[in-house]
Amino acid sequence: KNEVEQSPQNLTAQEGEFITINCSYSVGISALHWLQQHPGGGIVSLFMLSSGKKKHGRLIATINIQEKHSSLHITASHPRDSAVYICAVPPTSGSRLTFGEGTQLTVNP
Amino acid sequence: KAGVTQTPRYLIKTRGQQVTLSCSPISGHRSVSWYQQTPGQGLQFLFEYFSETQRNKGNFPGRFSGRQFSNSRSEMNVSTLELGDSALYLCASSWGRTSGRGDEQFFGPGTRLTVL
Repeated sequence: KNEVEQSPQNLTAQEGEFITINCSYSVGISALHWLQQHPGGGIVSLFMLSSGKKKHGRLIATINIQEKHSSLHITASHPRDSAVYICAVPPTSGSRLTFGEGTQLTVNP
Repeated sequence: KAGVTQTPRYLIKTRGQQVTLSCSPISGHRSVSWYQQTPGQGLQFLFEYFSETQRNKGNFPGRFSGRQFSNSRSEMNVSTLELGDSALYLCASSWGRTSGRGDEQFFGPGTRLTVL
């Protein structure tokens, strides 16, 4: 079993739909990262959270430390949201990240 | 504030050659981590440098090495290149905190290495 598991692996949505991507992890962590990778490779850090919920524009990330689970939500999805979304966890100390396999999101107009 | 920069962005080498990739972190960041991304293995941690010292290392052969300079810029080197080394190599910089609520990492655009 991988330390970090994401679901679904692939997700296709229509513009305007509400999107949820899930991440479960099996190790103790200090925080969880949600990353976005567009075609071409560049990775952008969307959120780093260690408890509760964070919101940035149409993106919302939540984490439940007790259940070792996090979700990334996109409200009113748009084709420009099409990308790979990756969750990643560091150990309780240090910067080494362990990554989920990523969720390929495609939003059709 | 300038982001993380990596050079070169693209590189083509042949088997047996060696390659050096460079990463300049965000000003003030003291930690640089390197990652390899391949279609088959996904993103994998290579190593982390903090204040010119390797602080953490992933499960890669000794052909992969790195260093960090006093200005926090980092280089990674791959010797005796193999076809399987073809990948996107990403570096990320951070403050380098090792305790508390995590240390946000900022990624560079990556160097795409093709080994022929």
